[in-house]
Amino acid sequence: DAGVIQSPRHEVTEMGQEVTLRCKPISGHDYLFWYRQTMMRGLELLIYFNNNVPIDDSGMPEDRFSAKMPNASFSTLKIQPSEPRDSAVYFCASSPGQRSYTFGSGTRLTVV
Amino acid sequence: DAKTTQPPSMDCAEGRAANLPCNHSTISGNEYVYWYRQIHSQGPQYIIHGLKNNETNEMASLIITEDRKSSTLILPHATLRDTAVYYCIVRGIQGAQKLVFGQGTRLTINP
Repeated sequence: DAGVIQSPRHEVTEMGQEVTLRCKPISGHDYLFWYRQTMMRGLELLIYFNNNVPIDDSGMPEDRFSAKMPNASFSTLKIQPSEPRDSAVYFCASSPGQRSYTFGSGTRLTVV
Repeated sequence: DAKTTQPPSMDCAEGRAANLPCNHSTISGNEYVYWYRQIHSQGPQYIIHGLKNNETNEMASLIITEDRKSSTLILPHATLRDTAVYYCIVRGIQGAQKLVFGQGTRLTINP
């Protein structure tokens, strides 16, 4: 089991550019979560899916952020346009129902 | 979900037991206590969870008081690799499936 796979590990982009973060959950896990971590705000839940359907997106900061899960093995988090305040580490996690979460290694995003 | 309170930081000597406290005085009967940890630059890692009985696994032990208003995570023989931020989270078994992380306790294991 390769765990939750996120790509890229690091992303540096210029303000105004579109950024796409990718996540492959563990096979068989029916929940997928996107978190963002900053020094100021800690770990924040952005959105989560159950069986590929978005359940709660109340943590998505604004319309510049969007997330999709076209199938059970892939999810994306897109920021368009990106801003310097979006700089953070973005984590994806998956879980089988109400069991424990498994987190990916994260994507460190820097917007300059 | 109930709110939790943890000390911001703790120190422990290598080889000793590390006891991390957590208060969750507003916990309700159908809420579990979860513990995760985050080692620097890595994603959070699940440690253990419990409802009302004490639990033990290969990583740690979880002691929950009889009134369930507090709990303690015990790392029986702490090593330098246990240095991390430890999060205590209360989550219901029904309804929303999300984990909400607080600020946690930064545990430093000293040689």
